[in-house]
Parts: sequence; C-alpha cells; structure tokens
Amino acid sequence: QPVLTQPTSLSASPGASARFTCTVRSGITVDTYRIYWYQQRPGSLPRYLLRYKSDSDKHQGSGVPSRFSGSNDASTNAALLLISGLQSEDEADYYCAIWYSSTWVFGGGTKLIVL
Amino acid sequence: EVQLVESGGGLVQPGGSLRLSCAASGFTFSSYEMNWVRQAPGKGLESVSYISDSGSTLSYADSVKGRFTISRDNAKNSLYLQMNSLRAEDTAVYYCVREFGAILDIWGQGTMVSVSS
Repeated sequence: QPVLTQPTSLSASPGASARFTCTVRSGITVDTYRIYWYQQRPGSLPRYLLRYKSDSDKHQGSGVPSRFSGSNDASTNAALLLISGLQSEDEADYYCAIWYSSTWVFGGGTKLIVL
Repeated sequence: EVQLVESGGGLVQPGGSLRLSCAASGFTFSSYEMNWVRQAPGKGLESVSYISDSGSTLSYADSVKGRFTISRDNAKNSLYLQMNSLRAEDTAVYYCVREFGAILDIWGQGTMVSVSS
C-alpha cells in the first residue's frame, strides 16, 4: 500500500471549488505529519503551494493566493487541498508529499481539469 | 539569480552508468539541503535521494538504494548523482532540487536520462 494515495483526476468548473484528497497509509496518522502540496502546470516545474499539519502548524507558499488552503480529514485519514474560485490557470497536476522514513514521499498526483 | 543547472543525462544501455551534476548559483550552496527528484515520461514525481547541507546525512529511495550515490562539493557549489546498474525503469527527467525549511523550493530544469538498448 503506498504511503500517499491520490485520485488520478478531478474536474471542476471555473469559479467553483476543487477538493483534492491525499490519503495516508493505514498505520500513519495524517495529523502527526506535515503534508506538503505542489502544483505542476503543463510543461512547467513543480511549485510549492502550502504545508498543513494543523491550523496552528501551516504555511502558505510565497505568492500563493489565499484561495488555496489545506486541511485534514481525520475520519478518512486524508490530507486535503482546497482551491476556491477556480481559474483556467489552475489546471495542473497536484502532488502531496511527506517526509517519511528519512526520505521524501510523493503521492501519485491528481490532474485537475478546469472545464 | 538563484539557479540550479543539471547536466550529465543521456542515453545509456541497461546495466550502464551515468553521473549527473548540478551547478548551483545565486545562493550559499553549503547552507542548504539538496535532493534529486525524478519524473518518468507522463508520470508523477519520485524522490530519489537527499543530502544534508554538510553532506553527512544521506538517504535514498528503496528503488535506487545500492545503485545510486549522492554527493556534493560545497567548495564547487555542486551536487552529484552517481547512477550505476541502470534499468529501463530509471528512465526519467532528473531534477536537482534545493530544500529550505523542509520545502522543495528551487527546481532545476532537469536532465533527461534514457535507459535503453
């Protein structure tokens, strides 16, 4: 079972909200780790968006709009990335990541389609 | 300008070796942890290896452990990845990535490694 599992794709309309899930492997509790989120637009390098562990332990990347936010869902042991007010430029791949067992581990990524 | 420039990629036969280099500029290289992250064509990101600022702490993905070696030369502002016993599944773009405060904040443009006979 992978450490981090993400859905392959997600579709949403401009102006709507998108909710990305990053499910943490059973045996690892999501709220004990900082989860990092990265965006990779087509043909571009990955870009750090934000980090979330709790409301008192979170960080927004430089220049990242406040419409990007993080949270956790303890009931499903998942980290969440929420994007409100979707724009066409948000169409990209989104990766969650965790520092686990002395190495970075990425989720498989979710492709956001804005249509 | 903060910059990371990778080199050393190319086409190599299975079982062969390559050495990737990453030249850093625009920041105090010796103060930062560094990583190699790869991305196979059309696939997601995979962390390959990590090295601390002093070079004293190293780590590797299970998929490359025993085959790849990360190193750095702080006097030359350079990061390296020695890749031996290459396999087809190592085919990917390899990115040199700076780590600051546990954030992978600066990415190089990447160098392509293709393993094929």
